[in-house]
Amino acid sequence: NAGVTQTPKFQVLKTGQSMTLQCAQDMNHEYMSWYRQDPGMGLRLIHYSVGAGITDQGEVPNGYNVSRSTTEDFPLRLLSAAPSQTSVYFCASSYRGQGNPYNSPLHFGNGTRLTVT
Amino acid sequence: AQSVAQPEDQVNVAEGNPLTVKCTYSVSGNPYLFWYVQYPNRGLQFLLKYITGDNLVKGSYGFEAEFNKSQTSFHLKKPSALVSDSALYFCAVRDYNNDMRFGAGTRLTVKP
Repeated sequence: NAGVTQTPKFQVLKTGQSMTLQCAQDMNHEYMSWYRQDPGMGLRLIHYSVGAGITDQGEVPNGYNVSRSTTEDFPLRLLSAAPSQTSVYFCASSYRGQGNPYNSPLHFGNGTRLTVT
Repeated sequence: AQSVAQPEDQVNVAEGNPLTVKCTYSVSGNPYLFWYVQYPNRGLQFLLKYITGDNLVKGSYGFEAEFNKSQTSFHLKKPSALVSDSALYFCAVRDYNNDMRFGAGTRLTVKP
């Protein structure tokens, strides 16, 4: 199992450019999410999905779009990059299934380091 | 909303000494609490969780955590620290939307 795979590992954008951060998981997890990590602020939730065709906003959704057409993939789109979006982005997934969904820990990818100049 | 707080940005301990990384929580209803560790240039890795039951939870790499309902705390502990334990540690709580809310993180440095 590869787990959660994120691409690219590094990206530099100019202000106003758009791009898509890719995330794929091979664990058949229903729940997927995107976080950004900034120094001293921990991880903040951008968007999440509880299954294919279902997405919702987290704490800091502005400037980002997501879609979930398959269970495996959950891409994050930056519509018009801004310097404030310079950050490290993590995709994570977890099992939801039957029983108590709150039991399941998140499985993380290794992150995408994005710089917007 | 559920939240957690990590009051220390940095914890320094000597190798072989016990370590504690502190976490307090604020929830309505039953808390679902987690600890994660992050090594440089990597994603977070799950260490342990408290859902219900025993207040002392054992996890990976010799770590354990003590749940204290009256003090609303969930401190991470290890009896004997290793240099390789040096990393960034995050406490987290699972919200009713199933979202994981993280603390700001505590950097643990274990000196030889």
